[in-house]
Amino acid sequence: KNEVEQSPQNLTAQEGEFITINCSYSVGISALHWLQQHPGGGIVSLFMLSSGKKKHGRLIATINIQEKHSSLHITASHPRDSAVYICAVLTSGSRLTFGEGTQLTVNP
Amino acid sequence: DAGVTQSPTHLIKTRGQQVTLRCSPISGHKSVSWYQQVLGQGPQFIFQYYEKEERGRGNFPDRFSARQFPNYSSELNVNALLLGDSALYLCASSSNWGTEAFFGQGTRLTVV
Repeated sequence: KNEVEQSPQNLTAQEGEFITINCSYSVGISALHWLQQHPGGGIVSLFMLSSGKKKHGRLIATINIQEKHSSLHITASHPRDSAVYICAVLTSGSRLTFGEGTQLTVNP
Repeated sequence: DAGVTQSPTHLIKTRGQQVTLRCSPISGHKSVSWYQQVLGQGPQFIFQYYEKEERGRGNFPDRFSARQFPNYSSELNVNALLLGDSALYLCASSSNWGTEAFFGQGTRLTVV
C-alpha cells in the first residue's frame, strides 16, 4: 500500500462544475503539497499547508491532520484546469513522498 | 527572479552510457532535491542536498550519484544507463529545511 493515496485516478468534468480531489496518507508529516503537472512535465506548486484551509482564486485546499486526509477543490472549473494534480507529503528529512496523481479533464 | 532551471530539457542516451543532469535552484535556496518520474507514475525521491551535504537518499542503485556545489547548484549523475532509467528527472529547491519546494521543468531522459 502506498504511503500517499489519491482518488480518483481519473476525473472528467464539464466546464463550471465543482471538483474535489482527495488525498490520504499513512505517515507522519510536517506539511502537504498540492501540485499541478501539465503535459510536458513541469510541476507547479499550488499549495503547501500543514493545517486548516488555504484558498487561491478558484482553488481551495483543506487538511485534517488527525484524519490524515486532504482535499483539493476547484470551483467553476475551466478547460484550462485540465492537468494532473498531485498530492505530496513532506516527511522527516524534508523529503517529499508523492501520490500517483489525478488526471483531470474539463470539457467545454 | 528566475525559477528553478534544469538542463538539458531533453536527452537521448544509449544503454551503458553515462549522463549528467544539472539544476540551478532559485537564488538564495539552499536545499535541492532530485526526483525520478516514470511515465504514468508519481515522482520518486532520489537525493536531497542541503548546505552542500547529502541529507537523504532514496531507494536507487549506486549508479545514481549527485552533488551540490558552493553556489547551491546541483548535478545528478547516472552511470551504466539502463532502459528503465528513461524518465522525467525533476529538481526541486527550497529556501530552507522543510520549506515549500519549487520545481524545475525537468529533464526528459530517453535511454535507447
